[in-house]
Amino acid sequence: AQSVTQLGSHVSVSEGALVLLRCNYSSSVPPYLFWYVQYPNQGLQLLLKYTTGATLVKGINGFETEFKKSETSFHLTKPSAHMSDAAEYFCAVSGGSNYKLTFGKGTLLTVNP
Amino acid sequence: DAGITQSPRHKVTETGTPVTLRCHQTENHRYMYWYRQDPGHGLRLIHYSYGVKDTDKGEVSDGYSVSRSKTEDFLLTLESATSSQTSVYFCAIRDAGSYNSPLHFGNGTRLTVT
Repeated sequence: AQSVTQLGSHVSVSEGALVLLRCNYSSSVPPYLFWYVQYPNQGLQLLLKYTTGATLVKGINGFETEFKKSETSFHLTKPSAHMSDAAEYFCAVSGGSNYKLTFGKGTLLTVNP
Repeated sequence: DAGITQSPRHKVTETGTPVTLRCHQTENHRYMYWYRQDPGHGLRLIHYSYGVKDTDKGEVSDGYSVSRSKTEDFLLTLESATSSQTSVYFCAIRDAGSYNSPLHFGNGTRLTVT
């Protein structure tokens, strides 16, 4: 079984500031990890996915994540926030032969001018 | 964008009535999923399909049934709609190529049960 926990349902940053969205996972097998973004009234779009063996993964729109197995973390970062980054972000995990994807509860990112 | 079409996009229905939501894909992907999205709960899996006529339950399957008679179509039915099923429903598809292949989502169906 696998699960993810997103820390903080709402994060607010200033434009140009660092974005850090936290996600911890639990999995009994080597996990496959994903981050998705959802803009208002739209479906979810893939930001990035973790590939086994990598520690730093780069995604679209300048986002990246560092996989830390010892901390079971998969936090999402971006060095400088843009107004267009305002959205809800979800981390997700699947594991082993299980094709089901389990999502966190989401973090709403607000970017202030 | 992945070729996923959900219909209808919006629906208002009354308690006790049956409702069917449709998901149509043009990608020929093997796996299809139905999730519901509610504030504070994120996305929760209702049912999924791993091939024609092959389906399985997710974590919130009570009150829902699904059918997949063709690769491209995955139907979600609420047998007797309740107010607790007011939600946004998302269909997703996934290529069976590898375990780390991502899900691709449709734009959702907003269902209101009055």
